[in-house]
Order: sequence, then C-alpha cells, then structure tokens
Amino acid sequence: DAGITQSPRHKVTETGTPVTLRCHQTENHRYMYWYRQDPGHGLRLIHYSYGVKDTDKGEVSDGYSVSRSKTEDFLLTLESATSSQTSVYFCAISEPGTSGRYSYEQYFGPGTRLTVT
Amino acid sequence: GNSVTQMEGPVTLSEEAFLTINCTYTATGYPSLFWYVQYPGEGLQLLLKATKADDKGSNKGFEATYRKETTSFHLEKGSVQVSDSAVYFCALVTSGGSYIPTFGRGTSLIVHP
Repeated sequence: DAGITQSPRHKVTETGTPVTLRCHQTENHRYMYWYRQDPGHGLRLIHYSYGVKDTDKGEVSDGYSVSRSKTEDFLLTLESATSSQTSVYFCAISEPGTSGRYSYEQYFGPGTRLTVT
Repeated sequence: GNSVTQMEGPVTLSEEAFLTINCTYTATGYPSLFWYVQYPGEGLQLLLKATKADDKGSNKGFEATYRKETTSFHLEKGSVQVSDSAVYFCALVTSGGSYIPTFGRGTSLIVHP
C-alpha cells in the first residue's frame, strides 16, 4: 500500500473558523491532489500540486487554498469554513512512469470527514 | 474535453452472479483507463488498468478490456462475493498536463448472500 496519511480523520468545526487538513506521503511522488466527495457529485478536484511550491486550481477551488513546502506534505486550508464545505476530503498522489510507460494511476489516502456546523 | 460515463447504480446481485459494470469514455488524445474501487469508509484503490487498445487489465477476478473502437472499458467478474460490495469508479488519464484523471460518477455494487 502507498504510504499516504491524512489528518485529522474526523473534524467538526463551526462556520467561519479556519480549518487545515494535512496530507502526508512517504512515496516521494511529485504530484499531489485534493478532492472532495459528496453524494450525487462523485469526486471533484479542489487543488493539485506538481512539485514543491507548484500548485494549481481544480474545478471547485473557491474557498480553499493549498500549500506545499515539502515534497511529502500537501496542506488544504478552508479560510472560513461554511456548511457547504461539509464533505469527505481525499488526498491522492501520483508519479507518472513509476510502473511503466503511461502509468498514471493515483493512490488515495483514507480521507477526512469534515462537518461544518 | 474528456468525459467518463458509467451505468447508474446501485447494482444488486446475489453471490456468485456475473457482474458487468459499463463504462464508456470520450477523450482528446490517447487515454490510459482505470477502474478504482472504494470500500465503505475508505479511500479509492486502484483495481486494474489498461494503457493501450485491446489490453486487458485484471485483478482479484475482475477484468476489463480497452476497446478503442467502442470507446469502452467495461468491468466484469464471473462470480461476485459479498466482499465485493463497494463503489466502483471508471477513470481515464491522458498524457501531458498534470495527469489529472477524469472520473465517472461511480457505481454502487451490493452483493447479497
């Protein structure tokens, strides 16, 4: 199994408070991604990173920011949490080419269940 | 752009039944294709993949064949078990860019004893 951990695994917070979720990997993969998963919406990409300090927006980036100061850590911050950000958040990693040409598979963390009250 | 269409679920089967979950795609470029599985309370796990036309990916009794002519990658298993109950996601990635996958919406499989 790929070494990916997420913390915290569960969090309940109040509307308007800042929240930071952490993704940590031990695989030295270059690419890291944050998704949210909601019933009826499947997986939606929030932000991704293609190297240290290199990040870009996904399809649902409003209200979220990210940082990657080390290869192994990718932080997702909700600047001011809202109830619409109640979701399950998944981190994923990828390193194209590690298992052969065109090997673009992702490896996912266990998820963080966030509830904003 | 890229898109993946999966059959709506849930799919409900009895143990030892044959499983097919349909997946069709549209892609710019030549995609690699994947099936991921998500068990309750867990993250997605790679189940199998295929990187070129006519390739067959297989794992844990599941199979899927990359059909370029029909732009399909249907997942099959000959005899499902209760432990196969999960959500299955079809996905594609095209080379270049930041290797961002396009996922289907997922198909829930429920297997009864």
